Amino acid sequence: GNSVTQMEGPVTLSEEAFLTINCTYTATGYPSLFWYVQYPGEGLQLLLKATKADDKGSNKGFEATYRKETTSFHLEKGSVQVSDSAVYFCALSRNSGNTPLVFGKGTRLSVIA
Amino acid sequence: NAGVTQTPKFRVLKTGQSMTLLCAQDMNHEYMYWYRQDPGMGLRLIHYSVGEGTTAKGEVPDGYNVSRLKKQNFLLGLESAAPSQTSVYFCASKTGTGGHEQFFGPGTRLTVL
Repeated sequence: GNSVTQMEGPVTLSEEAFLTINCTYTATGYPSLFWYVQYPGEGLQLLLKATKADDKGSNKGFEATYRKETTSFHLEKGSVQVSDSAVYFCALSRNSGNTPLVFGKGTRLSVIA
Repeated sequence: NAGVTQTPKFRVLKTGQSMTLLCAQDMNHEYMYWYRQDPGMGLRLIHYSVGEGTTAKGEVPDGYNVSRLKKQNFLLGLESAAPSQTSVYFCASKTGTGGHEQFFGPGTRLTVL
């Protein structure tokens, strides 16, 4: 079946540090891959996505590259800010109609000034 | 354009009581989903709907029922609440035409005593 594994948190970084959150997946075919972010007290919102191999999704300084050979979609940011403190979810969706998203368990990031 | 809204935001129930959570979207989306979020478990799909009048079971459907009588609304019912249903519930919707991004509501925090 389809599954997503992401690194367990919590992750605590100082402001301006480099961030990597690892995500690997298992899926049949060629899924679309997503990173969602959940700020405290809010619902999830899409951060970035990639729909085919070698695509790079980017938004708000975050990037992730769809690596089919390693079945990975690691999230990176060169310089984190306190406002990036949130829970980050990696997810996949098979590229067919109504297939629901499959989420990883989430990684909590805390950035301290 | 309100996006996805959920009612209520908070609720406390006693074991055995019933309630209905309402999700509404104004984006004319075909697909709608109900998830629950528990610490360390990520998001798990309860039920989903691919269109008005249709519903399907997700990963953790037991103890819940759903209805999609109108395209814009997706109701989640608990007939006899149990403490194990204490959770944060999220609704999401997605267009039926090509896109894979799901749009999430702000969540309902339910406590069952």
